Amino acid sequence: GAVVSQHPSWVICKSGTSVKIECRSLDFQATTMFWYRQFPKQSLMLMATSNEGSKATYEQGVEKDKFLINHASLTLSTLTVTSAHPEDSSFYICSALSGAGYSRRQFFGPGTRLTVL
Amino acid sequence: DQQVKQNSPSLSVQEGRISILNCDYTNSMFDYFLWYKKYPAEGPTFLISISSIKDKNEDGRFTVFLNKSAKHLSLHIVPSQPGDSAVYFCAAKAGAQKLVFGQGTRLTINP
Repeated sequence: GAVVSQHPSWVICKSGTSVKIECRSLDFQATTMFWYRQFPKQSLMLMATSNEGSKATYEQGVEKDKFLINHASLTLSTLTVTSAHPEDSSFYICSALSGAGYSRRQFFGPGTRLTVL
Repeated sequence: DQQVKQNSPSLSVQEGRISILNCDYTNSMFDYFLWYKKYPAEGPTFLISISSIKDKNEDGRFTVFLNKSAKHLSLHIVPSQPGDSAVYFCAAKAGAQKLVFGQGTRLTINP
């Protein structure tokens, strides 16, 4: 099956710093990637849809200036958490769409655990 | 507004028995449903799916049932194995719209 990687798998940073998380589709090209956030014992909440070569579409309540998304190529999307604060601590998961038409399927990365001190 | 609900946060089943995970939805426009399995500190992995034109889909030990009139779907795992212990998320989508996830159910298979 299609493989999606994320880097780093975990990161600890000081409050006020910025953190970049990479999401790569390893064996397929993805024009569309998604960024999710999961709090403990809660559902995956979609943050934004990342489209290659265009601006990301953010979900309601997600600050686009705080969570910067860049989908510069068909295999790479990045999420930058700017001026991180402890409340940004969470598990961030990306996914990439593979296939076409009705057979399109989302493949998820392994996630990135962010802890802001 | 939780459009996809998994009302059981946890479920414990004896090894070899059947595990039944339930999911309810409210949006009648949903036409495609999926189940994902997630281990701690990992991303979800696709398990099985069903489109709204069907009421059952089977793949090995996993079967998904869809009851459109009740807006309910369930995942049956039989026989349950220790490696099935994980959090299971159901998800739904309407056409090309985004996936909407339930809260997840933690399944524990006891030896």
